[in-house]
Amino acid sequence: NAGVTQTPKFRVLKTGQSMTLLCAQDMNHEYMYWYRQDPGMGLRLIHYSVGEGTTAKGEVPDGYNVSRLKKQNFLLGLESAAPSQTSVYFCASSYRTEYNEQFFGPGTRLTVL
Amino acid sequence: AQKITQTQPGMFVQEKEAVTLDCTYDTSDPSYGLFWYKQPSSGEMIFLIYQGSYDQQNATEGRYSLNFQKARKSANLVISASQLGDSAMYFCAMREGAFTGTASKLTFGTGTRLQVTL
Repeated sequence: NAGVTQTPKFRVLKTGQSMTLLCAQDMNHEYMYWYRQDPGMGLRLIHYSVGEGTTAKGEVPDGYNVSRLKKQNFLLGLESAAPSQTSVYFCASSYRTEYNEQFFGPGTRLTVL
Repeated sequence: AQKITQTQPGMFVQEKEAVTLDCTYDTSDPSYGLFWYKQPSSGEMIFLIYQGSYDQQNATEGRYSLNFQKARKSANLVISASQLGDSAMYFCAMREGAFTGTASKLTFGTGTRLQVTL
């Protein structure tokens, strides 16, 4: 099992460009999440999904959109990138249980110039 | 107010010694869950331990234990017999509210960097 994978691992964008980050999991998890990690601020939830076709906003959703067309995939889109979106992005997934251990991907380091 | 507070930006511990990483939380909900994750320099987040608010006993997982003091709203991570491989960032996180079947959102602290020395 690959677990949670993220594509790409690194990306540099210019202000105003768009891109999509792909997250895939092969554990049949119902829940999936997108976080961003900035220095000194820990992880902050951007968007999450409780199942195929459903998404919801997290703590810092502005400037991002998501889609979950298939259970195993969760896409994070930046329509018009801004320097403030320079960050490391983590995808995670979990079962629908109280224990809710989240399995994380390796992260995507995004720089917006 | 911060929901999760980790007041130690950095900690040093000698190999084979025990170390406690502090975490305090703020919630008015009687149902919640507390988590600790480890982030090595390679970047991935690794789940370590979980404590539910109604759990009577402190959680333990191998060398990791969670010192849960509900009245003080603290959930400190104790690592016994530290190893060089324990050097990493450690994050405390909380799920507020009872698990209702919808996604359990986590709020993370800012982390503590642990360095294990010889």
